[in-house]
Amino acid sequence: AQRVTQPEKLLSVFKGAPVELKCNYSYSGSPELFWYVQYSRQRLQLLLRHISRESIKGFTADLNKGETSFHLKKPFAQEEDSAMYYCALNSGSARQLTFGSGTQLTVLP
Amino acid sequence: EAQVTQNPRYLITVTGKKLTVTCSQNMNHEYMSWYRQDPGLGLRQIYYSMNVEVTDKGDVPEGYKVSRKEKRNFPLILESPSPNQTSLYFCASSFSRDRHEQFFGPGTRLTVL
Repeated sequence: AQRVTQPEKLLSVFKGAPVELKCNYSYSGSPELFWYVQYSRQRLQLLLRHISRESIKGFTADLNKGETSFHLKKPFAQEEDSAMYYCALNSGSARQLTFGSGTQLTVLP
Repeated sequence: EAQVTQNPRYLITVTGKKLTVTCSQNMNHEYMSWYRQDPGLGLRQIYYSMNVEVTDKGDVPEGYKVSRKEKRNFPLILESPSPNQTSLYFCASSFSRDRHEQFFGPGTRLTVL
């Protein structure tokens, strides 16, 4: 069975500091990993997906199959990055996405 | 505007009183799903539907029912709500051919007294 672990429930950094939100997954096959974000009073939305290898709002995430990780990184955090971040895995099953428990990021001024 | 809508957005009810939370999407998506969001537990899938008349259980289906009679609608039914179903509920939809991006509704905050 697939599983997604986000070890940090809360993470606070100062504006301009680097930020890394950790995500580890457990799945025996070839996974597809995603990061979703939920800003205050907004609905959950896709931030980025590993197959695109893109940078969105300065965030990047690299899939490391050896460490089974998909950490989200940004070199210089901004206050508007404060949000709840969810890592999600698509194992290809009909159920689609398995979400982690989320990390609430707060960027302090 | 392409979107997923949920109604009601907020609901306070009492134990045992049947309720329905509606979900509708206007993007012609085949796939729809219900999640509940609880502190420390993240998003957990309740039920999902691959298409009309095709539904299946997610991680936490106990106490819930769904139906998919039309492609655009996927209501969540609580026949006899209990306090442990107090939560924030999200509906989501996507094209089946693109399993990557799910579009989420605004959420329904349910309190069961």
